[in-house]
Amino acid sequence: SQQGEEDPQALSIQEGENATMNCSYKTSINNLQWYRQNSGRGLVHLILIRSNEREKHSGRLRVTLDTSKKSSSLLITASRAADTASYFCATDALKNTGNQFYFGTGTSLTVIP
Amino acid sequence: GAGVSQTPSNKVTEKGKYVELRCDPISGHTALYWYRQSLGQGPEFLIYFQGTGAADDSGLPNDRFFAVRPEGSVSTLKIQRTERGDSAVYLCASSLLGMTGELFFGEGSRLTVL
Repeated sequence: SQQGEEDPQALSIQEGENATMNCSYKTSINNLQWYRQNSGRGLVHLILIRSNEREKHSGRLRVTLDTSKKSSSLLITASRAADTASYFCATDALKNTGNQFYFGTGTSLTVIP
Repeated sequence: GAGVSQTPSNKVTEKGKYVELRCDPISGHTALYWYRQSLGQGPEFLIYFQGTGAADDSGLPNDRFFAVRPEGSVSTLKIQRTERGDSAVYLCASSLLGMTGELFFGEGSRLTVL
């Protein structure tokens, strides 16, 4: 089963605008990661935020984490057509059976040139 | 190789047949994951290896699915008596640090069961 859920499911914006995607999860985590997937390709890691961090930046990406609400957001500033892709959050599950990463259902972002 | 390699990239088979999907992780990565992704969905966890052993196989849907990693490097996902519902993209990922690190994904193996 998937732990995370992203919203919106789909987002369409004009080039230059900012894009915000949200992720909610169900159980306690150590880390939360965001990945990007171009159509028909594998996933590419974007950024990792630890449970004791509240905000992290990487280039045009800004990630926030609110562990009390079990939610995270990914902000892409000054979007480009090349940012068009699906974006997934992934959380690690604290289980005694081992380590897993659970992915959400994804947000499909379209940036219109 | 430089990245995670998965073969075949596409596999079409008939219902009831046996299928093997191969994953060659990044050299030195001890953690290896298999995921399954259906159209429009996120990756669904199947199994996780730490070295040669399956640390967590709780995501395997039933006993038709099995995966091995005999030497702690290459892994093979095996599906017996394939069903149409097994059609999906099977993704492999490897990681140097396991749960605490980023996953490096291959391009996936697209399985179509007719």
